[in-house]
Amino acid sequence: QSVLTQPPSASGTPGQRVTISCSGSSSNIGSNYVYWYQQLPGTAPKLLIYRNNQRPSGVPDRFSGSKSGTSASLAISGLRSEDEADYYCAAWDDSLSGPWVFGGGTKLTVL
Amino acid sequence: QVQLVQSGAEVKKPGASVKVSCKASGYTFTSYGISWVRQAPGQGLEWMGWISAYNGNTNYAQKLQGRVTMTTDTSTSTAYMELRSLRSDDTAVYYCARVNRGVSIGESWFDPWGQGTLVTVSS
Repeated sequence: QSVLTQPPSASGTPGQRVTISCSGSSSNIGSNYVYWYQQLPGTAPKLLIYRNNQRPSGVPDRFSGSKSGTSASLAISGLRSEDEADYYCAAWDDSLSGPWVFGGGTKLTVL
Repeated sequence: QVQLVQSGAEVKKPGASVKVSCKASGYTFTSYGISWVRQAPGQGLEWMGWISAYNGNTNYAQKLQGRVTMTTDTSTSTAYMELRSLRSDDTAVYYCARVNRGVSIGESWFDPWGQGTLVTVSS
């Protein structure tokens, strides 16, 4: 049981826009930044979004992050086949669950 | 470029210990911490703990307290994670990741990650 809640799966067709949600509480998302990691099949996770909505250099602007209250979202526009991966949200948690907590991950399928 | 390279796969029997290494390059090792994250087969990411490469301070996940020890060797820019009394549910890919920090204590993220080390616990 992960501290942050994500839908287990999401899907879209090439060119479409998809969003992945991440729900937490006042001790994590509600009071700290949210981060997103992309894990392509058989590889290590890679930082995708930091500080809620910042993209590291090299991450396409098709990826965007947002946060409101105790929830966050990752949006992917202009979906491409190479976006098929697992996506994890993460945050610092001020409670005994922490300090770092992850969502259970969302498997994105490009149809 | 900043890189973390981990040691190779391990197969251990229940009750044994494993020690995984993570060699850093491309940055000043003592300026960042290292976290360890594991991923059981087909499962999500689980944070295990953190160590400061500056002073060796550690913070371990509650469920692993007493079984895990994280250390660093600043002379070789290498971090280590040792897990004892292994059980079958410790079978997982173990990742190290550099911890990047902002101004506030809650502002920290993992980048980059090592390539992962598969630890299999089986009799």
